[in-house]
Amino acid sequence: QVQLQESGPGLVKPSETLSLTCTVSGGSITTNYWSWIRQPPGKGLEWIGYIYYSGSANYNPSLKSRATISLDTSKNQFSLRLSSVTAADTAAYYCARDYGTGWSDYWGQGTLVTVSS
Amino acid sequence: QLVLTQSPSASASLGASVKLTCTVDSGHSTYAIAWHQQQPEKGPRFLMKLNSDGSHIKRDGIPDRFSGSSSGAERYLTISSLQSEDEADYYCQTWGTGFRVFGGGTKLTVL
Repeated sequence: QVQLQESGPGLVKPSETLSLTCTVSGGSITTNYWSWIRQPPGKGLEWIGYIYYSGSANYNPSLKSRATISLDTSKNQFSLRLSSVTAADTAAYYCARDYGTGWSDYWGQGTLVTVSS
Repeated sequence: QLVLTQSPSASASLGASVKLTCTVDSGHSTYAIAWHQQQPEKGPRFLMKLNSDGSHIKRDGIPDRFSGSSSGAERYLTISSLQSEDEADYYCQTWGTGFRVFGGGTKLTVL
């Protein structure tokens, strides 16, 4: 069974860069698409972006090029960097595996990131 | 821009059935969706992939009480014999080359 676990700082200062890592077990990261999704407190899910095992990535245009997703196949991990964060980026961040061309079939448990000075 | 629309809330009694709706915008009415469940204080969990013709593939271990169907641009999740643990937020998701989209979610209350 595929399992995903997010890790990274729970507190980030405004204008700095948020960095999170997702560690995948029970399956290889060299197949499928891998997504980051976030959920502000009390709100719905927002797709941030995905990366394909080939290394190509796509992002939600609403993030205005602040997001970067990368792969580390040697560690079976993928990562998210979100630059110039503001309080509006405070959210639970989830990583997920996307089956085939699209739907998320395995999710991490999520990690809460708060943006505050 | 593809949009998925869900009612913000729904409620039904313990043991009853409820049908949740996800509407795909008219320009994309043939798109398949996925249903996800998010119980309180937990991460989302994939339930099923639902095609425009109503055929669906459920995740292993999802009870038979959960079923999916489609009509035109509407995608449905029906939960029968409601149990207390079904009280959760339910999200639909669709996808394409270069994008993923989520509906706003429906909060289901089991009375």
